[in-house]
Amino acid sequence: TQLLEQSPQFLSIQEGENLTVYCNSSSVFSSLQWYRQEPGEGPVLLVTVVTGGEVKKLKRLTFQFGDARKDSSLHITAAQPGDTGLYLCAGISNDYKLSFGAGTTVTVRA
Amino acid sequence: KAGVTQTPRYLIKTRGQQVTLSCSPISGHRSVSWYQQTPGQGLQFLFEYFSETQRNKGNFPGRFSGRQFSNSRSEMNVSTLELGDSALYLCASSLLPGGAVGANVLTFGAGSRLTVL
Repeated sequence: TQLLEQSPQFLSIQEGENLTVYCNSSSVFSSLQWYRQEPGEGPVLLVTVVTGGEVKKLKRLTFQFGDARKDSSLHITAAQPGDTGLYLCAGISNDYKLSFGAGTTVTVRA
Repeated sequence: KAGVTQTPRYLIKTRGQQVTLSCSPISGHRSVSWYQQTPGQGLQFLFEYFSETQRNKGNFPGRFSGRQFSNSRSEMNVSTLELGDSALYLCASSLLPGGAVGANVLTFGAGSRLTVL
């Protein structure tokens, strides 16, 4: 059983559309991270959110940490083919352990 | 500066064999963590090493072991391979142990893809 549940598992959209990926847990985390992994590569850190209710923007990507620190979302505006990849959320517990979700595979068609 | 280097990138083994994977961390990073990645399970934590000592271990059988050398390079070994061990094995390095906290960012290598036939 995954500590962190990501949805949807797969997402295929047309270039220019918006998308949202969700990361949910019954556990409270001290902070939460989002990674993107491209084929043949390891995950690369995109952002860390620390405060409940926090919203961070990274160009066309918007990350939100839930008020209760149990969930997060990643929203991409006007998706581009370069956004294609596996998006992973990872929760950091109070004892500094990192738990990953299974990931959401995003495909952006040109 | 060079990133995290994992070797070999791809390997094929048969059931019952054993395998050793290597990870060279970013220069100056003393903590190395290992993860197993499979399509349905995502990244599962194997173990973490800091200054040649195992600091943390995930929920994997004793067939999975690892070690870290004085130059911070790390190896993991899987003995008596099973079909279910087929996966991408990822190594991540960081300055300090204890996961990704604050500025202690994890940097992942590209992984070693193991196929067990």
